[in-house]
Amino acid sequence: SQQGEEDPQALSIQEGENATMNCSYKTSINNLQWYRQNSGRGLVHLILIRSNEREKHSGRLRVTLDTSKKSSSLLITASRAADTASYFCATVHTGANSKLTFGKGITLSVRP
Amino acid sequence: DVKVTQSSRYLVKRTGEKVFLECVQDMDHENMFWYRQDPGLGLRLIYFSYDVKMKEKGDIPEGYSVSREKKERFSLILESASTNQTSMYLCASSLDVGGLGETQYFGPGTRLLVL
Repeated sequence: SQQGEEDPQALSIQEGENATMNCSYKTSINNLQWYRQNSGRGLVHLILIRSNEREKHSGRLRVTLDTSKKSSSLLITASRAADTASYFCATVHTGANSKLTFGKGITLSVRP
Repeated sequence: DVKVTQSSRYLVKRTGEKVFLECVQDMDHENMFWYRQDPGLGLRLIYFSYDVKMKEKGDIPEGYSVSREKKERFSLILESASTNQTSMYLCASSLDVGGLGETQYFGPGTRLLVL
């Protein structure tokens, strides 16, 4: 399966701490994206990193991509209770046209 | 801002009924997608469309069909609903030049219960 695998499956941290989530995949990609989903809602795009990029920042988010290890990490700094959500990595595999392949998600809980 | 709307947030249907789920996007996107989301399985692609009247099967098309008569509207049809189609259904759209896969914008989801 080309599906990305996130790690850990669940993460619980205190407000103000950093949260690190990882994603691994199996075949070569055009890009990798991270999405967030609040309970019972649709997904919201957070950040996209292309295969020729190694790191990207957006506000409190930092994403890294290591194509040699076929892995990515999402770091949320200075977490807030409002960051509590499920986070998904999604990959666009080479030759897959516009299709995203999603992982099963990480449940992040930030305690106030 | 891109807006993707879905016709219903919650839907209850009976086994054997024909079910229509509608999705509309307002950003002139070429690509539209239907996913279902189940606990422990993540999002799985049912069908997608890259142009009006064009469609392509995703990973789990069995039991579903789609229709795209206008660029902004993508419909998912359950020909004869079954209990194993109880799920959260998510629609998405994307502007994708070159087929390299860009950001997808999601609707709020439709939670379908088939009794």
